[in-house]
Formats: sequence, C-alpha cells, structure tokens
Amino acid sequence: QQKVQQSPESLSVPEGGMASLNCTSSDRNFQYFWWYRQHSGEGPKALMSIFSDGDKKEGRFTAHLNKASLHVSLHIRDSQPSDSALYFCAVSESPGGNYKPTFGKGTSLVVHP
Amino acid sequence: GPKVLQIPSHQIIDMGQMVTLNCDPVSNHLYFYWYKQILGQQMEFLVNFYNGKVMEKSKLFKDQFSVERPDGSYFTLKIQPTALEDSAVYFCASSLGRISNERLFFGHGTKLSVL
Repeated sequence: QQKVQQSPESLSVPEGGMASLNCTSSDRNFQYFWWYRQHSGEGPKALMSIFSDGDKKEGRFTAHLNKASLHVSLHIRDSQPSDSALYFCAVSESPGGNYKPTFGKGTSLVVHP
Repeated sequence: GPKVLQIPSHQIIDMGQMVTLNCDPVSNHLYFYWYKQILGQQMEFLVNFYNGKVMEKSKLFKDQFSVERPDGSYFTLKIQPTALEDSAVYFCASSLGRISNERLFFGHGTKLSVL
C-alpha cells in the first residue's frame, strides 16, 4: 500500500480561482509533511511544511493539517497560470530517524486563463 | 537561492554499458539523496548518503547501483551494467541536516535513456 495518498490526480481551475489538493499518510510514524511543486523540466521545489495541527499560511498558499486523521490539504488562492505544475506531498518520520522523505504520486494542476 | 547542479541533463546509452550521473550539491549541505522519477510521475527514493556512507537504500537501489562522493568532488550515482528499466529521470537532492523540518533542494534531473 502506498504510504502517501494524494488526490485528485489532476485538477483544472480558472485563473483567479481556488485550487485544493489533498494528501493522507497511511503510517502514523510518518506525520511530518512538506509540499513540493515541480514545473515541467525542473526538479521539485519546496513550497511549505506543516507539522502541527491547524492552518499555516504563506502568501497565497494555505496548508491545513489534521494529525488525528493524518490528512493535510493545500489551498492555492487566486491561482495563476504560473501555478500550473505537479504538486507533491512528502512525508517523513519523527525526528531522530533516518531522513528520507516519501513522496506521493502527485497532483497535476492546470490553471487556465 | 541554493542550487543543486546535475550533469549531464540527458544521457543516452546502450543497455549493458556503465553510466555515471553527477551531482554538485549545495555547498554547505551534509546529506545527499538520489530519487528516480518515471514518466513525470512519482518520485521514488533510491538512497541517501552522509559522511561518506550510505544511510539507507530502497528496493529500487539494485546491486548494479553505487554511490560515492570522493572529497570535494561530485556526488555520483553509477549504474553498471544498465538495463532497459533504468530509463528514467534521476534527481539528486541535498539537505543541510536530517531532521524532519529540513527541505530538500533538488537539481533539474538527468534524463537517462537506455536503448
């Protein structure tokens, strides 16, 4: 079973709209979350992390974590065509373990004008 | 911002040949990683490396794979011999430390095509 489940697989939103992406960890030992974004032809780039229950906001991006359900969401407000990319959720174990973030399969986001 | 450089960007080789993928991590980073991505989809962990040693390798890290970082030089992934299923984009990453709030910095990847 995949340790990290992401949904939806693909998403299309209009420019200026809200994009919402989801991620769930199936292993309670893996509850430290990062969101990465990968534009075509590039490597993933870290967007933001979230480790505590509740919301975390960075500019147009808001992450929400529910530790009880190990579910995290990413909301992109006022989506721009430049936000079109592959979005990965990556999870890792509690500090002290060998650090090797596990990535989900990604959500492909298209923001159309 | 900090950059990870990967050389070459694309490598085409015949099955059975040896290939070396090169990575220049962020200068003060201590932990290095290789990930494999097929068809622009999931990033699969291969191996991580610290202080001259492999920390952990996944099931995808076959016996034909090896990594090293001789002092002051590139962090390399060597595949010998290559197989058709090794065709993929290989990403190198580095991090300053290994605690869970560390972000990984990725290179642009090396696209390996095994014919």
